[in-house]
Amino acid sequence: GEDVEQSLFLSVREGDSSVINCTYTDSSSTYLYWYKQEPGAGLQLLTYIFSNMDMKQDQRLTVLLNKKDKHLSLRIADTQTGDSAIYFCAAGGDSSYKLIFGSGTRLLVRP
Amino acid sequence: NAGVTQTPKFQVLKTGQSMTLQCAQDMNHNSMYWYRQDPGMGLRLIYYSASEGTTDKGEVPNGYNVSRLNKREFSLRLESAAPSQTSVYFCASSEDVRPFFGPGTRLTVL
Repeated sequence: GEDVEQSLFLSVREGDSSVINCTYTDSSSTYLYWYKQEPGAGLQLLTYIFSNMDMKQDQRLTVLLNKKDKHLSLRIADTQTGDSAIYFCAAGGDSSYKLIFGSGTRLLVRP
Repeated sequence: NAGVTQTPKFQVLKTGQSMTLQCAQDMNHNSMYWYRQDPGMGLRLIYYSASEGTTDKGEVPNGYNVSRLNKREFSLRLESAAPSQTSVYFCASSEDVRPFFGPGTRLTVL
């Protein structure tokens, strides 16, 4: 079945760009997502991309998809302390929109 | 709109006790889901309901049952709780490609 992997931890300085990476195994994954989870909270959908797209930009967020390598990345420009959270990559492949999640990348933004 | 709501927020059970986690959504979504999140792990799908009247197993269904009571509500039942079911439980709903999540129920089984 589908497997989604992410690095565990990323530390950046405030104002720098952050890049969080994700790889997935199932080439039939149709939708790929980034969710943000703050401590003690639920998951907030940040953005998603269809598998027929290479890039999607939404304000400070840029998602890049390399279908050949099954690699997804999330770039956060001008990272702020409020961006400190756990970021989950998820893949979905069918019309029921069931998701397979990675184990999350903890982003720490240093002042 | 409240979005996806879950009750209770916190619960402590003893091994062998039963309980039902409630989930409701006010977005008129057809599909609803139950996930669990264990420390240091991503979310894993327990059960889902693609539409009112249907339910299907996800990745980790053992020890759980679900009921899609109506279009709005999807409940998760633990018949005989075990310490391995200590987790944070998230309900979600979707109509299109964007699943929205509730705030979670933190369950501890002693």
